[in-house]
Amino acid sequence: KQEVTQIPAALSVPEGENLVLNCSFTDSAIYNLQWFRQDPGKGLTSLLLIQSSQREQTSGRLNASLDKSSGRSTLYIAASQPGDSATYLCALYAFGNEKLTFGTGTRLTIIP
Amino acid sequence: SQTIHQWPATLVQPVGSPLSLECTVEGTSNPNLYWYRQAAGRGLQLLFYSVGIGQISSEVPQNLSASRPQDRQFILSSKKLLLSDSGFYLCAWSRQVPGNTIYFGEGSWLTVV
Repeated sequence: KQEVTQIPAALSVPEGENLVLNCSFTDSAIYNLQWFRQDPGKGLTSLLLIQSSQREQTSGRLNASLDKSSGRSTLYIAASQPGDSATYLCALYAFGNEKLTFGTGTRLTIIP
Repeated sequence: SQTIHQWPATLVQPVGSPLSLECTVEGTSNPNLYWYRQAAGRGLQLLFYSVGIGQISSEVPQNLSASRPQDRQFILSSKKLLLSDSGFYLCAWSRQVPGNTIYFGEGSWLTVV
């Protein structure tokens, strides 16, 4: 059974710093891995999707990497801003499965 | 473009009362549809998913049921709510291609009192 872990559960950093969020998974037989953002009381917004054959994806200040051999993905946020404060979740599709498996998320707070 | 609508956004229901949450998707056809629940301090739990009209797969045995009466309509129901049904319910859709991006609605807050 696929298990997806995100550590730490919460993270606070000063504005302007670069930061890395971590996502670990136990089964490397995946289609892709996605990173989502969730603002309090809101739905999830897709940030980046990395296909199984890719190693990274970039969108603006965000860069997501994927290392299937080690069962890890990272989300790098450059020059953090208070508006980046949210919960970030990773999720992945496993082969033969129409369903995403989500991590429990990291709650990020950017301190002005 | 595709959009997903989910309602109501918030509701407070007494224990033992019925529930109906509705979700519709526009701008696409034959989507996969999903209901997730997010309880306080816990991750997203998949409740139901559907690959077509009348086709519902249940992930977790519980007090809830789902129906898909039309291609782009997904309904989450309960005949008698329990306190443990409280949580944040999210509808989502994806194209029927394995590993495609999933898109979420804005969610419905349910408080059972």
